[in-house]
Amino acid sequence: DTGVSQNPRHKITKRGQNVTFRCDPISEHNRLYWYRQTLGQGPEFLTYFQNEAQLEKSRLLSDRFSAERPKGSFSTLEIQRTEQGDSAMYLCASSPTGASDTQYFGPGTRLTVL
Amino acid sequence: GNSVTQMEGPVTLSEEAFLTINCTYTATGYPSLFWYVQYPGEGLQLLLKATKADDKGSNKGFEATYRKETTSFHLEKGSVQVSDSAVYFCALSAPNQAGTALIFGKGTTLSVSS
Repeated sequence: DTGVSQNPRHKITKRGQNVTFRCDPISEHNRLYWYRQTLGQGPEFLTYFQNEAQLEKSRLLSDRFSAERPKGSFSTLEIQRTEQGDSAMYLCASSPTGASDTQYFGPGTRLTVL
Repeated sequence: GNSVTQMEGPVTLSEEAFLTINCTYTATGYPSLFWYVQYPGEGLQLLLKATKADDKGSNKGFEATYRKETTSFHLEKGSVQVSDSAVYFCALSAPNQAGTALIFGKGTTLSVSS
């Protein structure tokens, strides 16, 4: 049983660049969530998908943030024109059908914007 | 709105000491309650959960009871070990939230010394 995987684990970029992170959920989990965690805080919900449909995106932090899950399997989170305030850990979680409130988290992608 | 408040850390204990980490919540409806743990360098792991009032979640010697009258879900362990050193997050998912997205507290760091 492979867990949720995220790539890359670390990303360092310069302000103004675009970055994209990938999340591979547990097989057959139909719900996929993205969260952001800053130092000393708990994770903050950003968006979620049920299969390929993005059902909630109002919590995305700005229009520079976007997410996709084109085939209902892996997902990508893109941040355009990065700012130093975007530096954080970006977490992905997935949950199975019928037990949607039990979420399994990946190890996260740590973004540093210089 | 929905929110979680947990005691600030760090909590420093000697091995075999009794542990309590307080967590209180505000939510509309009847949320599910969770404790997640984050070991150094690892992703969030579900420790235990409770889905209705008076339920007790338990795992690895940890326990928490869903108390609706006090809106609390305090985490306890009778005898901590050095290997329990980690950050502990209390969280809730409420039925009126998008996709049962989790709302987290800020986390409590536990450090256990031998």
